[in-house]
Amino acid sequence: GNSVTQMEGPVTLSEEAFLTINCTYTATGYPSLFWYVQYPGEGLQLLLKATKADDKGSNKGFEATYRKETTSFHLEKGSVQVSDSAVYFCALKVNNAGNMLTFGGGTRLMVKP
Amino acid sequence: NAGVTQTPKFRILKIGQSMTLQCAQDMNHNYMYWYRQDPGMGLKLIYYSVGAGITDKGEVPNGYNVSRSTTEDFPLRLELAAPSQTSVYFCASSVKAGGPSEQYFGPGTRLTVT
Repeated sequence: GNSVTQMEGPVTLSEEAFLTINCTYTATGYPSLFWYVQYPGEGLQLLLKATKADDKGSNKGFEATYRKETTSFHLEKGSVQVSDSAVYFCALKVNNAGNMLTFGGGTRLMVKP
Repeated sequence: NAGVTQTPKFRILKIGQSMTLQCAQDMNHNYMYWYRQDPGMGLKLIYYSVGAGITDKGEVPNGYNVSRSTTEDFPLRLELAAPSQTSVYFCASSVKAGGPSEQYFGPGTRLTVT
């Protein structure tokens, strides 16, 4: 089956620190990969995505590279801000009739001033 | 464009009561989904729909029912609420299957069953 494993949080960083949130996956097909972000009290928003091996998704200073050889899609940001404090979810989608996503457990990021 | 809207935002139910969580989208999306998010956990799919009149079970459908009479609306029904259904419920929609089309999420409904 399909599954997504993320590093457990919370991750606590000081402002301007470098961020890495690890994500690895198993999939029965050839997946598209996503990072969603959930700010406090809100629903999930798409942060970035990648559809094929070696693609790099990027948005708002965040990046993630689709690594087929290591089945990974780690999220990185060079300099985090307090406003980046949120829960980050890695997800995958293989071609299926319902366009369904499989989510990881989420990683809470807390950035201190 | 309101996107995906959900009502109510919060609800407290007693064991055995029933309720309907409302979800609507104004983006003309064919696909709609209901997820639950338990504390510290990822999202689990309850039910989904690929179009009006078509629904199917997800990973955790027991204790829930859905209907999809219109493209816009996808209500989730809880019958005989149980404490195990205490969770945050998210509705989502997407434009179509295939390709990397993203899902758009509503703000969630926080449900407590006591």
